Amino acid sequence: GQQLNQSPQSMFIQEGEDVSMNCTSSSIFNTWLWYKQDPGEGPVLLIALYKAGELTSNGRLTAQFGITRKDSFLNISASIPSDVGIYFCAGQLVKGGSEKLVFGKGMKLTVNP
Amino acid sequence: DTEVTQTPKHLVMGMTNKKSLKCEQHMGHRAMYWYKQKAKKPPELMFVYSYEKLSINESVPSRFSPECPNSSLLNLHLHALQPEDSALYLCASSPEWVPEQFFGPGTRLTVL
Repeated sequence: GQQLNQSPQSMFIQEGEDVSMNCTSSSIFNTWLWYKQDPGEGPVLLIALYKAGELTSNGRLTAQFGITRKDSFLNISASIPSDVGIYFCAGQLVKGGSEKLVFGKGMKLTVNP
Repeated sequence: DTEVTQTPKHLVMGMTNKKSLKCEQHMGHRAMYWYKQKAKKPPELMFVYSYEKLSINESVPSRFSPECPNSSLLNLHLHALQPEDSALYLCASSPEWVPEQFFGPGTRLTVL
């Protein structure tokens, strides 16, 4: 089945630093989503990307939909302790509808104050 | 109301027990999902309901039985589970023709 390769698997950074993570696939996706999950909680949607080349920001978060539609990245600027958590990328192969999301394996972020 | 709620938050059950997980959303979303998530792994899709009808079953064992009584409610009935079924069970919903899925806080299930 389709797989998303998410990297890095984990990062340890100092408060105030920027962090970048990405997802790649051999398949073309119509939509890319980025989620953050805190321990014991459900994933929270951060950013949704719909068009190849699209660059979207949400506060200190910036994400881009790769031009080939096979990759996406998420940047977090000026990290703060509450950024700690696991970040998942997810892609949808089919436009619209209640179709499956393919998830990356997640990137665990640790921010040292 | 802009959230997905799940009850209970935690559940401990024996292998012979029958229990149910409940999920509710009042956002008018037409698709609802059950996911299973093991520690340090991404969510793994189990079932999808679209317009109250089961549209996707990811070859889930029959000891998990989903039910969608109405467009706002989704249940997962559990019977004769195994210890390896212990996991965080997540419910999600999405609007019509929109890929974004909104997750509930999950039910932490422990099977003894």
